Amino acid sequence: GQQVMQIPQYQHVQEGEDFTTYCNSSTTLSNIQWYKQRPGGHPVFLIQLVKSGEVKKQKRLTFQFGEAKKNSSLHITATQTTDVGTYFCAGSARQLTFGSGTQLTVLP
Amino acid sequence: DAGITQSPRHKVTETGTPVTLRCHQTENHRYMYWYRQDPGHGLRLIHYSYGVKDTDKGEVSDGYSVSRSKTEDFLLTLESATSSQTSVYFCAISEWDTTYEQYFGPGTRLTVT
Repeated sequence: GQQVMQIPQYQHVQEGEDFTTYCNSSTTLSNIQWYKQRPGGHPVFLIQLVKSGEVKKQKRLTFQFGEAKKNSSLHITATQTTDVGTYFCAGSARQLTFGSGTQLTVLP
Repeated sequence: DAGITQSPRHKVTETGTPVTLRCHQTENHRYMYWYRQDPGHGLRLIHYSYGVKDTDKGEVSDGYSVSRSKTEDFLLTLESATSSQTSVYFCAISEWDTTYEQYFGPGTRLTVT
């Protein structure tokens, strides 16, 4: 079945440093979605990418979808303590399959 | 936040007992999902529903059953709970099909002793 791998599993950064998480699928995706889950909270939808090579920005967050539509990345510039949480990618072929997430810790 | 509630929010139960978790939505979305979340595994789909009385299995459906008798309610039942079913359970909804963005409820933390 479809598998979505996400790395790294954990990332600790100093406040102000950049952060990137990567997502790879075993199959070509129709779209990729990103979610954020704050500690003790529930996943919250951030964005969806559909087109090959697509890049979208939300303030300090930059999302990319690979040319082959099998990989994606989320980059956060100049992290803040409010960025703490787990970031999940979710790849969509026939169904949505979630990656295992990257847990981001931001040290003040 | 989307209008999704889950009940109960916390439950401790003993091995072998039946457990039912409820998800209620006020968004009138067609699709509803049950996931479990365990450390290192992300979110894994248990069952989903694409309409009243229309359900299908996800990747980890063994030991779980679901029912949807009304658009707004989706029930998850553990017929005979086991310790391996200790987890956090999230309900989610989406307006269109299973490839569209999903909105999650607050979760139910279930402990099976």
